[in-house]
Amino acid sequence: GAVVSQHPSRVICKSGTSVKIECRSLDFQATTMFWYRQFPKQSLMLMATSNEGSKATYEQGVEKDKFLINHASLTLSTLTVTSAHPEDSSFYICSASGGLDEQYFGPGTRLTVT
Amino acid sequence: EDQVTQSPEALRLQEGESSSLNCSYTVSGLRGLFWYRQDPGKGPEFLFTLYSAGEEKEKERLKATLTKKESFLHITAPKPEDSATYLCAVQASGGSYIPTFGRGTSLIVHP
Repeated sequence: GAVVSQHPSRVICKSGTSVKIECRSLDFQATTMFWYRQFPKQSLMLMATSNEGSKATYEQGVEKDKFLINHASLTLSTLTVTSAHPEDSSFYICSASGGLDEQYFGPGTRLTVT
Repeated sequence: EDQVTQSPEALRLQEGESSSLNCSYTVSGLRGLFWYRQDPGKGPEFLFTLYSAGEEKEKERLKATLTKKESFLHITAPKPEDSATYLCAVQASGGSYIPTFGRGTSLIVHP
């Protein structure tokens, strides 16, 4: 099956610093990548969708300047949380799709901002 | 607006006790319905895609079915390792291809 990796799996940072999360599709070309945020015992909240070489499309209420998304190639997308604050602490999950069908998810990144 | 409702919210079963999870959906035109399994602290794992009413797919103890209004995920003789949250998502035909996810059903199978 299709494999998506995410790095790092866990990160702790101090308030005010920036954190970059990488998402890679290992065995297929991802024309579209999605970034989600998930709070404990809640479902996935879509943050943004990105297509290779294009600007990301952000969901309503998601700050573009705070959550920077780059989709530089067909196998790599990055999410940078800028000037992180404790309220940004969450579980961030990326997914990738090679077409219009199912998404394949990464293992997630647990971000803790102290 | 596309809507996905999953029920029950939580389900506890004894090992071997078969049951079904429900995913009801409202979409202008269905392109695909997806089932995922999510273990705590991990990303969702893709299980099935269903495209048209009457379609069925199976994988080990799981079988997914689809009608024009809902999908069922049947779990036959579940084992403790089937414990997870099961997510359903629908993708509309035309317009945005972004799937809409339900809130999931948390399944616990007791030995």
